[in-house]
Amino acid sequence: NAGVMQNPRHLVRRRGQEARLRCSPMKGHSHVYWYRQLPEEGLKFMVYLQKENIIDESGMPKERFSAEFPKEGPSILRIQQVVRGDSAAYFCASSPGQRGNEQFFGPGTRLTVL
Amino acid sequence: QKEVEQDPGPLSVPEGAIVSLNCTYSNSAFQYFMWYRQYSRKGPELLMYTYSSGNKEDGRFTAQVDKSSKYISLFIRDSQPSDSATYLCAIFGRGSTLGRLYFGRGTQLTVWP
Repeated sequence: NAGVMQNPRHLVRRRGQEARLRCSPMKGHSHVYWYRQLPEEGLKFMVYLQKENIIDESGMPKERFSAEFPKEGPSILRIQQVVRGDSAAYFCASSPGQRGNEQFFGPGTRLTVL
Repeated sequence: QKEVEQDPGPLSVPEGAIVSLNCTYSNSAFQYFMWYRQYSRKGPELLMYTYSSGNKEDGRFTAQVDKSSKYISLFIRDSQPSDSATYLCAIFGRGSTLGRLYFGRGTQLTVWP
């Protein structure tokens, strides 16, 4: 049973470009969460999605960031017009239900903005 | 005030030592308390979780929750060099938006042989 998969593992973008981060949840998991980890900081919640629904996006910046979890395919975190401050590790977690004690994390995507 | 406070360390101990890692939290409505281990440049790995107050033991690891003090701890007995990692506490419950975890900053632990 494969764990949470994220790709790419490393992504380099120049300022102003778009970044697309993908997350495939564990088999049987229909809840997906995105977190961001900045250097010297803990993980910060960004968004919580179920299939075709955004449940909570209160942790996501209002501009340039969007997330989706379509009926088919992986969840996508999209960052438009990236800036240097977006450089961070982005982690996806999935769970079978709405319980925080069952969130399992992927290996992360490390975004570097030049 | 942050939801979860955790001393980032770093903490350096000799092999075989007992390690104590701690967090405090602000909202008494939180119910689930988790500890994650994160190796360098890897994703967090769920170590243990506890519900409500009390102790929970799993091998060399013991998680402790004191809800009256809003204080959570992770003890590692007979620490090994392979325990060297960053340990993150996380909380979840009625006081948080459904689904989201609140994390501490993480404590960096090094166990030297």
